[in-house]
Amino acid sequence: EAAVTQSPRSKVAVTGGKVTLSCHQTNNHDYMYWYRQDTGHGLRLIHYSYVADSTEKGDIPDGYKASRPSQENFSLILELASLSQTAVYFCASSVTANSDYTFGSGTRLLVI
Amino acid sequence: QQKVQQSPESLIVPEGAMTSLNCTFSDSASQYFAWYRQHSGKAPKALMSIFSNGEKEEGRFTIHLNKASLHFSLHIRDSQPSDSALYLCAVRYQGGRALIFGTGTTVSVSP
Repeated sequence: EAAVTQSPRSKVAVTGGKVTLSCHQTNNHDYMYWYRQDTGHGLRLIHYSYVADSTEKGDIPDGYKASRPSQENFSLILELASLSQTAVYFCASSVTANSDYTFGSGTRLLVI
Repeated sequence: QQKVQQSPESLIVPEGAMTSLNCTFSDSASQYFAWYRQHSGKAPKALMSIFSNGEKEEGRFTIHLNKASLHFSLHIRDSQPSDSALYLCAVRYQGGRALIFGTGTTVSVSP
């Protein structure tokens, strides 16, 4: 069964610290995405990738970096975590830009 | 930056009634339109998608798309308490490689 696994499931980070969120998919999908969701709201696109070793900026990339070292793995890096980055982060994958996304279970990040 | 707007923000529907959700977008050249459902504390899951103008039905769910009016909608027939969730519409704009999601509509189906 197609799967997207995110780690950690939750994290508490200190303001100014570095945070790395990881995503691993076994779907053999080329496309991977990072979205953030603030309480009760929709998803906002941070970064995405459609091929290994290449990433693209989404709508809200400021304060975030992304890394796609292989087809299976896609990381989101917060170099200097800030309070405003407290949110739930979802990773997703898809076969093409026009196909259904498979989402991971999310990472709940609290920055204090 | 392209935007996707949803209405209403929330609604309460009696069990067995029709639920109607709306989504507007800003470019008639957009190429892919989808609805996702997210139960509380869970990941979003794809419901239905459509590429061209018209209607598509799958079980209790129907999607309508009118590119000229920049509008698409989701209708849920015979709504059930298990349909209570956050509904997210999404659009892939021409030239884009990722979905842009709306802000969501929270649906509560009352028994």
